[in-house]
Amino acid sequence: KAGVTQTPRYLIKTRGQQVTLSCSPISGHRSVSWYQQTPGQGLQFLFEYFSETQRNKGNFPGRFSGRQFSNSRSEMNVSTLELGDSALYLCASSFSRSTDTQYFGPGTRLTVL
Amino acid sequence: QQQVKQSPQSLIVQKGGISIINCAYENTAFDYFPWYQQFPGKGPALLIAIRPDVSEKKEGRFTISFNKSAKQFSLHIMDSQPGDSATYFCAASERGSQGNLIFGKGTKLSVKP
Repeated sequence: KAGVTQTPRYLIKTRGQQVTLSCSPISGHRSVSWYQQTPGQGLQFLFEYFSETQRNKGNFPGRFSGRQFSNSRSEMNVSTLELGDSALYLCASSFSRSTDTQYFGPGTRLTVL
Repeated sequence: QQQVKQSPQSLIVQKGGISIINCAYENTAFDYFPWYQQFPGKGPALLIAIRPDVSEKKEGRFTISFNKSAKQFSLHIMDSQPGDSATYFCAASERGSQGNLIFGKGTKLSVKP
């Protein structure tokens, strides 16, 4: 079974631009969560989607948004990019919200110049 | 507010030795405690996980010890190998919110041959 895939793997943007990241969960998984990983703050929860609905949201500004499609694929969008948004963005999927194991993708490395 | 505190930040162990990483939490609503292993350029991968109704769980060379009254849990890696060199993260989540993992800051383990 293929793992969680994330595209693109690397991205360079400039301040003020917006970016969209994509995540394809493991086949059959319906829950998708997004995390931001930085050297200073570590791994921080962004949001969780299940059945096309946002179920939980972390403490991030409204510039960070996401959505989930009927095939469980998910996208996250960051508008008006700031230098501090440079990070590794990780997507994780699980079978359901009550299933323990989350499987992480390799991440998208975003660099904001 | 850091809800999961992890120590040490870095750890150097000789091959064959025991690696011990500790975590402490504050939120008594947490009921799922996984450990993730991350290699450079990869997403975190689940290593082992425990629930508070069990005081210890062992899988191969990896053991989680859990102390509910002290709100602490730890990862022991027996017979540490150079291939175990990676960053280890403890995490916690509340019941029904496994998609919202709260991570510790991570421990960079280096196993010397």
